[in-house]
Amino acid sequence: DTGVSQDPRHKITKRGQNVTFRCDPISEHNRLYWYRQTLGQGPEFLTYFQNEAQLEKSRLLSDRFSAERPKGSFSTLEIQRTEQGDSAMYLCASSRGQLNTEAFFGQGTRLTVV
Amino acid sequence: GENVEQHPSTLSVQEGDSAVIKCTYSDSASNYFPWYKQELGKGPQLIIDIRSNVGEKKDQRIAVTLNKTAKHFSLHITETQPEDSAVYFCAASDKTGGSYIPTFGRGTSLIVHP
Repeated sequence: DTGVSQDPRHKITKRGQNVTFRCDPISEHNRLYWYRQTLGQGPEFLTYFQNEAQLEKSRLLSDRFSAERPKGSFSTLEIQRTEQGDSAMYLCASSRGQLNTEAFFGQGTRLTVV
Repeated sequence: GENVEQHPSTLSVQEGDSAVIKCTYSDSASNYFPWYKQELGKGPQLIIDIRSNVGEKKDQRIAVTLNKTAKHFSLHITETQPEDSAVYFCAASDKTGGSYIPTFGRGTSLIVHP
């Protein structure tokens, strides 16, 4: 068990391009979260999966964002037609069980849109 | 939804002093309150958490207190060391539509001077 893994660690893209990030949660964790963090701010919730079902989506998640978690294992977050305002750290976290428990975070993917 | 306020945004102390970070939350249904430490270039890491049925919890030099009536909770670090320097985030988790979604404060940058 190596913890939550995110790939890539860094991504630089041109405005208007599409990008996709991957998150591999801790293997026995059924809950998976995506957060976005900008400089000097706390993580902001984007979306949440329980197994393969996407149960919650923040209003921050515009139509250009889509997330999937096929088979309830790894997850992908895609941003279409990137904008400079999308530049941020994208964090993935996972947890287990049915009640409130600790969420383990990955190292994050830092996206820079130029 | 939940709203978490965190103060101060920056805290500078001398090695060996105590540090206190305070948070308030808005949703009385929140019942789980984790604290995370984030070092530069890394994802947040849980350092201590407290549930709503407990008023105080200690783990070596770290303690957290919770006042449910006032809806505030605090992190106390005693005998601070330079390696405690990092950004600390509080979070509150309630059951939004059946899903436990942690909402984070904006963070406190703790600087411990040797």
